[in-house]
Amino acid sequence: DSGVTQTPKHLITATGQRVTLRCSPRSGDLSVYWYQQSLDQGLQFLIQYYNGEERAKGNILERFSAQQFPDLHSELNLSSLELGDSALYFCASSVDLSNTIYFGEGSWLTVV
Amino acid sequence: AQSVTQLGSHVSVSEGALVLLRCNYSSSVPPYLFWYVQYPNQGLQLLLKYTTGATLVKGINGFEAEFKKSETSFHLTKPSAHMSDAAEYFCAVSDGTSYDKVIFGPGTSLSVIP
Repeated sequence: DSGVTQTPKHLITATGQRVTLRCSPRSGDLSVYWYQQSLDQGLQFLIQYYNGEERAKGNILERFSAQQFPDLHSELNLSSLELGDSALYFCASSVDLSNTIYFGEGSWLTVV
Repeated sequence: AQSVTQLGSHVSVSEGALVLLRCNYSSSVPPYLFWYVQYPNQGLQLLLKYTTGATLVKGINGFEAEFKKSETSFHLTKPSAHMSDAAEYFCAVSDGTSYDKVIFGPGTSLSVIP
């Protein structure tokens, strides 16, 4: 158990819908990362937050957005969902910008 | 920009045999390098990392990796494979100044044959 908690673990939704994935980082970790893992794209970095502020942005679609709240938990919002958005979404956290990243167990999203 | 290649998407070894998973990276600055393991239906777990200093890095579960700057490689090895080592292994790189945008390789699936 890495200490990073993600909910929900599994989610099935229809195309065009919107979902929110939630992440609670390890206690004391200030940095949160979101990754998407799919069979065809592999593990893709989406976005990183540090202490509430966006730190780095990767291959995140405009239909996706994220934020980190004052209590340091983070949410990834996925809207206008498409079949291709079906993937495993990982949240990870680290104490600061120079320490090991710890991954949660992921949220499986299936778009039908 | 950094990038990572992993030679061999699938590797099979016999139990007790040497495990060698290959990773080559591209980086214009001194990199931070990582190996992560993903067991079925689980998140990624850090095996080991190289930031600075000693180029031979020892990790958990008997794995180690050596940073070779001249070869831009960071291959993962384990002297004797165990059945429990069967998993997906990811090599990753960051730009060496922070953990921003850690870039992962495509992964290598390791099978261990009894």
